[in-house]
Amino acid sequence: GEDVEQSLFLSVREGDSSVINCTYTDSSSTYLYWYKQEPGAGLQLLTYIFSNMDMKQDQRLTVLLNKKDKHLSLRIADTQTGDSAIYFCAEMNSGAGSYQLTFGKGTKLSVIP
Amino acid sequence: DTGVSQDPRHKITKRGQNVTFRCDPISEHNRLYWYRQTLGQGPEFLTYFQNEAQLEKSRLLSDRFSAERPKGSFSTLEIQRTEQGDSAMYLCASSFFTGGPYEQYFGPGTRLTVT
Repeated sequence: GEDVEQSLFLSVREGDSSVINCTYTDSSSTYLYWYKQEPGAGLQLLTYIFSNMDMKQDQRLTVLLNKKDKHLSLRIADTQTGDSAIYFCAEMNSGAGSYQLTFGKGTKLSVIP
Repeated sequence: DTGVSQDPRHKITKRGQNVTFRCDPISEHNRLYWYRQTLGQGPEFLTYFQNEAQLEKSRLLSDRFSAERPKGSFSTLEIQRTEQGDSAMYLCASSFFTGGPYEQYFGPGTRLTVT
């Protein structure tokens, strides 16, 4: 079945860039998403990328997709303490008629002031 | 513009009791999803509806779980004869299905604790 892997922890200094990585196994994934979850809260959709794209930029966020290696990354520029949260990568294979999201375990980002 | 809402936010119940959770999606969203999230894990898909039709169910959704969306608006998730292993955050999400990118917007979740 589909699997999504992420490193569990990342620590960066305020003002630096953060790069959160994700690998997935389903080569037929059509969309990939990044969500942010703060303690005790639901998930906030940050951005998504269609599988035929290799990059998407949205303000401080840059998503890179290497479809050949099934590798996705989220870069956060000028990381702030408010960016401290758990970040989830998720994939969807809508081409197979399934609209469920498959999530990784999440990367906990800690921003050091 | 109100987001997805869920009620209650927290529920503590004794093992063997039945519980029911409610989700109100973003208005105009015709798809509604339920996920379960345990500590240290990402959300896992349970089921989803398009309007009032339940279109997909995960193997995680045992016979003790039932979900409904009777009028294609709000949805309920019921767990019968709760077990300690049911303790988790239950998340609801909604989307407007027209064509990609099928963004799903999540509610704040209902945290269930079974004692």
